[in-house]
Amino acid sequence: KAGVTQTPRYLIKTRGQQVTLSCSPISGHRSVSWYQQTPGQGLQFLFEYFSETQRNKGNFPGRFSGRQFSNSRSEMNVSTLELGDSALYLCASSYGTSGSRSRREQFFGPGTRLTVL
Amino acid sequence: QKEVEQNSGPLSVPEGAIASLNCTYSDRVSQSFFWYRQYSGKSPELIMSIYSNGDKEDGGFTAQLNKASQYVSLLIRDSQPSDSATYLCAVVDSNYQLIWGAGTKLIIKP
Repeated sequence: KAGVTQTPRYLIKTRGQQVTLSCSPISGHRSVSWYQQTPGQGLQFLFEYFSETQRNKGNFPGRFSGRQFSNSRSEMNVSTLELGDSALYLCASSYGTSGSRSRREQFFGPGTRLTVL
Repeated sequence: QKEVEQNSGPLSVPEGAIASLNCTYSDRVSQSFFWYRQYSGKSPELIMSIYSNGDKEDGGFTAQLNKASQYVSLLIRDSQPSDSATYLCAVVDSNYQLIWGAGTKLIIKP
């Protein structure tokens, strides 16, 4: 079974630009979560989508947004980029957001490394 | 505010010894607990899931869960330099949301 894929893997942008990152979950997984990770920092939760609906949201400004499509693929968008947005953006998929305990096991993609100049 | 706490480390362990990583959580209703390993510059990898009190062994790893004391630990037996990484603890809270610890950096010294 193919793993979680993220595109692009690397991205360089300048301040003020916007960026869109893409994530394709493991086949059969309907939940997609997004995280930001900066050097030496833990995972900062951005949001989670399930069946095209945002289920949870972290404490990030409105410049960060996302969506999920009917095939469970997800995109996140960052508008008006700031230098502090430089980070590794990770996508993780799982079967669901409730139900049996194993459904919350999350599997990560390789990440998109965003550099804002 | 539901929390998951880990000692940030670094935890230095000699090669061949047992590395012990600990995690405490605040939500008493939590039912699912996960350990992830993250190598520098890479994404986290799920290495253990545990749901019931007691020990669970898998591939050189032992997870221990004590719900009464609200802690979960990970033991790495016969640790090798390749085990050097950051280990993240994650707990599913009563709202089925995954709460993450900040991670413990483990260094295995040859």
